[in-house]
Amino acid sequence: AQTVTQSQPEMSVQEAETVTLSCTYDTSESDYYLFWYKQPPSRQMILVIRQEAYKQQNATENRFSVNFQKAAKSFSLKISDSQLGDAAMYFCAYRSALTGTASKLTFGTGTRLQVTL
Amino acid sequence: KAGVTQTPRYLIKTRGQQVTLSCSPISGHRSVSWYQQTPGQGLQFLFEYFSETQRNKGNFPGRFSGRQFSNSRSEMNVSTLELGDSALYLCASSWATGSGNTIYFGEGSWLTVV
Repeated sequence: AQTVTQSQPEMSVQEAETVTLSCTYDTSESDYYLFWYKQPPSRQMILVIRQEAYKQQNATENRFSVNFQKAAKSFSLKISDSQLGDAAMYFCAYRSALTGTASKLTFGTGTRLQVTL
Repeated sequence: KAGVTQTPRYLIKTRGQQVTLSCSPISGHRSVSWYQQTPGQGLQFLFEYFSETQRNKGNFPGRFSGRQFSNSRSEMNVSTLELGDSALYLCASSWATGSGNTIYFGEGSWLTVV
């Protein structure tokens, strides 16, 4: 079974600064997808960024980028120019590419990000 | 277009009762999955439905069940409620069940069992 670990329960960043959230995962599969979801106080999970394991290039979405290290099974999220609206719980998630298990997301325990003025 | 809609948003039930939660996926989406979120266990996958068929199931007791209708709307049911079933239940939808499809979440249904 796959596991996802987020070792930082809480992080804090000043507005306009950069912060990196860590995520490691364990899997014996070679083809899979990794995601970062944001959960604000409304509790709706919002997709921030996704990475296909077969792609070597790190995904980027505006101020959000990832550092995907497949051999190390590491998938960190970098938020640049942090904004107050970035304050939320961030979850790292894994999805297998195998048919039959494809829609199941395995989540980490989350990192609460605070953004200060 | 409208997102994933879950009803009711908040509800309180008594131990031993049963509850039904509803989820309307994004228009055109045929895959619906359910997750339970608790402070102790985090986010856990319950089950997934596609074209009215359960495609995948998480490690939950048989008290947790679900179904999907021909219009892709889904319901989940929890029978003989226990205090530990208090949680946020999140529904998610995607266009199909393949792994390349993005999964979109609703705002959840807060269930409190007293």
